[in-house]
Amino acid sequence: NAGVTQTPKFQVLKTGQSMTLQCAQDMNHEYMSWYRQDPGMGLRLIHYSVGAGITDQGEVPNGYNVSRSTTEDFPLRLLSAAPSQTSVYFCASRPDGSNSPLHFGNGTRLTVT
Amino acid sequence: AQSVTQPDIHITVSEGASLELRCNYSYGATPYLFWYVQSPGQGLQLLLKYFSGDTLVQGIKGFEAEFKRSQSSFNLRKPSVHWSDAAEYFCAVGAVTGGGNKLTFGTGTQLKVEL
Repeated sequence: NAGVTQTPKFQVLKTGQSMTLQCAQDMNHEYMSWYRQDPGMGLRLIHYSVGAGITDQGEVPNGYNVSRSTTEDFPLRLLSAAPSQTSVYFCASRPDGSNSPLHFGNGTRLTVT
Repeated sequence: AQSVTQPDIHITVSEGASLELRCNYSYGATPYLFWYVQSPGQGLQLLLKYFSGDTLVQGIKGFEAEFKRSQSSFNLRKPSVHWSDAAEYFCAVGAVTGGGNKLTFGTGTQLKVEL
């Protein structure tokens, strides 16, 4: 029973490098989302998707891209990493329906130097 | 837009003591409310949720929360805290309508349990 799987768990990047954070879920959830968690700021929504082929911006989308080619996968791309993107990133999914609770992955800790 | 305030950044309680974590929300309609718990190095786990009906909701691990519309609050309580309850707790509010429902989180309360 894998749930939401995020890879990698840890990553260090230099400023200007690019990378993709992977997220996969095996629960056939329509809704998937990416949050970043920073001390004293809680979790802030970056991007979300309500189904394959549909994505939208959240509260802090700048510097991040997403795509949703399949129901299972929702990768988050950093095109040119900046130190301000040092954070812990969480992927979360839920079944269709706005009142369903989110299921979270275990997070990716990203450091940009 | 909705918002959530958790006024206590850190709380320390003794094992066996009662616990109340505060959460105030702002939303123009009936909210969906959640409490999540995060252990170090882990993702968030759902403790309980409120959608409608009985304003006192029971969750996992002996937690409960009470929705008070007049006070715009959804405080989390536990009668007797265990050392394993030490973690960070997040309150969250979701919009009632919209397929793109966005869950808004509070800034969290870090709970320390003294033995």
